[in-house]
Amino acid sequence: QVQVVQSGAEVKKPGASVMVSCRTTGYDFSDYGIDWIRQAPGQGLEWMGWISGHNGNIKESQRFQGRITMSADTSTSTAYMELRSLTSDDTAIYYCARDRDDAFDVWGQGTVVTVSS
Amino acid sequence: DIQMTQSPSSLSASIGERVTMTCRASQSIGTSLNWYQQRPGKAPELLIYGASSLQSGVPSRFSGGGSGTDFSLTITSLHPEDFATYSCQQSFSFPPTFGQGTKLEIK
Repeated sequence: QVQVVQSGAEVKKPGASVMVSCRTTGYDFSDYGIDWIRQAPGQGLEWMGWISGHNGNIKESQRFQGRITMSADTSTSTAYMELRSLTSDDTAIYYCARDRDDAFDVWGQGTVVTVSS
Repeated sequence: DIQMTQSPSSLSASIGERVTMTCRASQSIGTSLNWYQQRPGKAPELLIYGASSLQSGVPSRFSGGGSGTDFSLTITSLHPEDFATYSCQQSFSFPPTFGQGTKLEIK
């Protein structure tokens, strides 16, 4: 059974960084990519970036370039997303999802990130 | 970026009713359109991919249609668990983009 499990909630101060992890089980990690998608309170879904589980290639949304770092550890089938220079606008639920090329077919449970002084 | 516009933004319906919601792309995307269901407090789940293909395990009361710029999601005979927010997403070109969602509420 394919599962995607994310790390727990975070509270950060403005200017800080946050790292969210995304541990996958039940499939060959190298056969799929992982996407990062966020949802601000009361808002729609916003795609942030993608990392290949095969070779670590990355695609990023222009909105986050320079502030986001994605990585993957194939030995533990875990993807990571770090977002830097946080502001209150980054308060959101952050999701990772398995990328099937045509759709995001398995999602993590979400990680709540709150940015507050 | 391709803009995705969903309508209506909210919809009230009763158990057993049939509902249809729409998604429009700012340019032609063929059939590279996916629908996700998000229940309150939960992560999104893939419902339909390729505009009309049902994801494994999704009940047959859900159906999707359309191509080019105009797409629809229809739910026949609403069940209590169907009251959720539905979002469309285009996978035609980078970056992938989502609509703002249609919230389906119980009347």
